[in-house]
Amino acid sequence: KNQVEQSPQSLIILEGKNCTLQCNYTVSPFSNLRWYKQDTGRGPVSLTIMTFSENTKSNGRYTATLDADTKQSSLHITASQLSDSASYICVVSAIDSGGGADGLTFGKGTHLIIQP
Amino acid sequence: NAGVTQTPKFQVLKTGQSMTLQCAQDMNHEYMSWYRQDPGMGLRLIHYSVGAGITDQGEVPNGYNVSRSTTEDFPLRLLSAAPSQTSVYFCASRGQGADTQYFGPGTRLTVL
Repeated sequence: KNQVEQSPQSLIILEGKNCTLQCNYTVSPFSNLRWYKQDTGRGPVSLTIMTFSENTKSNGRYTATLDADTKQSSLHITASQLSDSASYICVVSAIDSGGGADGLTFGKGTHLIIQP
Repeated sequence: NAGVTQTPKFQVLKTGQSMTLQCAQDMNHEYMSWYRQDPGMGLRLIHYSVGAGITDQGEVPNGYNVSRSTTEDFPLRLLSAAPSQTSVYFCASRGQGADTQYFGPGTRLTVL
């Protein structure tokens, strides 16, 4: 069964510090991996999408890495700001087999709190 | 573009009542999906559609119906609401391939 595991479940850091969130997956056949940011009371917003051949992708202070061999991804946040407080969700997409499946497997998210 | 819109934002139902959650997108996306999000569970797929006239079940379809008569609209119907359907519901859309998936703002539903 396809699975996406995220760690830690929750994290508290001080404003200005860096942090790294982890995502391990067992989705096959792999198509792409996405990181989303979800603010409280809002829908998720895409941060990055990486395909099999991409190792790193950045979006401002957010940098995602992908190791397709070990099936691991990380999201690194640099110089955190209060607005970074949110849940971060890892989503892995399987190659469309034509069987009509949505193909997306969601992690449960990491809840990040930035303290002043 | 308005992106993905959902109505209503909040809803309270009594057990056994029916209702329709509305979802619309103006990006001409083929793929549309409905998810529910519960504490500690993450997002779970209810139903999805790969184009007008085509729908299919996701992970947790029981108690819900969908239809896709146009590319823009993808309503979710609760036939007879149950307390277990208390949740936050998100509609999402995307184009083909590794395209960004856009989520609506969500509908918070409480069933008493």
